[in-house]
Amino acid sequence: AQSVTQLGSHVSVSEGALVLLRCNYSSSVPPYLFWYVQYPNQGLQLLLKYTTGATLVKGINGFEAEFKKSETSFHLTKPSAHMSDAAEYFCAVTQTTSGTYKYIFGTGTRLKVLA
Amino acid sequence: GAGVSQSPRYKVAKRGQDVALRCDPISGHVSLFWYQQALGQGPEFLTYFQNEAQLDKSGLPSDRFFAERPEGSVSTLKIQRTQQEDSAVYLCASSLNYPGGQPQHFGDGTRLSIL
Repeated sequence: AQSVTQLGSHVSVSEGALVLLRCNYSSSVPPYLFWYVQYPNQGLQLLLKYTTGATLVKGINGFEAEFKKSETSFHLTKPSAHMSDAAEYFCAVTQTTSGTYKYIFGTGTRLKVLA
Repeated sequence: GAGVSQSPRYKVAKRGQDVALRCDPISGHVSLFWYQQALGQGPEFLTYFQNEAQLDKSGLPSDRFFAERPEGSVSTLKIQRTQQEDSAVYLCASSLNYPGGQPQHFGDGTRLSIL
């Protein structure tokens, strides 16, 4: 069964600094991978996804992630943090079982941006 | 509206009462998912519909939880004889179709508090 591990439940960066949020997955087959962002009292919003093809994926709000099969990783980065990036970030992998599929989410990383 | 709509946004119930949570997916979206999100955790899969067919209900915690989507659009999650551990945010998501590479579009959730 697929699973997702997000290292670091809380990450703090200074405004303008690099953002790096880590995600490792386990999967016996090529996975579909996603990053979502959640602002307080809201649902999840898709940042980016990896399905097939190019391993460097660009998303919204200047975020990008690189799929590294050899490291089973899909880390999320942004060159320069903005105050508006403060939120909870979730990595997810899809699991296919008997013809149906579902998302398996990590436990989330709360990003704090310091002025 | 253009997005996934959930109602009510907040629900308070006494232990033992039955509750019903509603989800209006994006028009034309075939797949619909329910998730439970405990405080400080990632969403946990509950159940999945493809049109009106409930293809996976493996995540429902007990037989007190029941979901339906009778006409393949609006879905209702019902919890009978609520208990305090049912307190959580319940998220609904829809996606255009199968398979697993499709991104999911989330509603803002229903925050359920059991007293």
